[in-house]
Amino acid sequence: AQRVTQPEKLLSVFKGAPVELKCNYSYSGSPELFWYVQYSRQRLQLLLRHISRESIKGFTADLNKGETSFHLKKPFAQEEDSAMYYCALNANAGKSTFGDGTTLTVKP
Amino acid sequence: NAGVTQTPKFRVLKTGQSMTLLCAQDMNHEYMYWYRQDPGMGLRLIHYSVGEGTTAKGEVPDGYNVSRLKKQNFLLGLESAAPSQTSVYFCASSSGVGRGETQYFGPGTRLLVL
Repeated sequence: AQRVTQPEKLLSVFKGAPVELKCNYSYSGSPELFWYVQYSRQRLQLLLRHISRESIKGFTADLNKGETSFHLKKPFAQEEDSAMYYCALNANAGKSTFGDGTTLTVKP
Repeated sequence: NAGVTQTPKFRVLKTGQSMTLLCAQDMNHEYMYWYRQDPGMGLRLIHYSVGEGTTAKGEVPDGYNVSRLKKQNFLLGLESAAPSQTSVYFCASSSGVGRGETQYFGPGTRLLVL
């Protein structure tokens, strides 16, 4: 069975500080991993996906198969990054597994 | 394009009442999903559909039924609402399950069961 773990429910950093949101997964096959973000009073939306190897809004995430991790990183956090972040795994056809989410607060 | 829309946005039910949540998408997506979001528990998959006329159980299907009579619509039904079903419900759709397929989410429906 697949599982996604986000160990931090809450994360608080100061503006300009580096931020890392942790995501670990458990899956026997080749995973497809995503980060979704939910800003206040908005719907969930895709932030980035590992297959694209992209940087969105300054965020990057690298899939580490050895450590089964897909941590989200940004070198300099901004106040507008405050949101709920979900790590998600696409495995079996039609079924996605989401982590419990991490609420990031960036303080001025 | 409106993307994914959900009706209603908010509803209050009494225990035992029934209701149907409607999800519609205009992106011609094959796959549709219903999730519930509870504090501290993230998103949990209730039911999903891989195409018109098909449905399948997710992680927490009990107490819910779904139908996908038209490709663009995915209905979630509560036959006899219970307080434990108080939650925010999100619908999502995706074009398929190829590598890197993104899910597109609706705005959510807040349901309160008294």
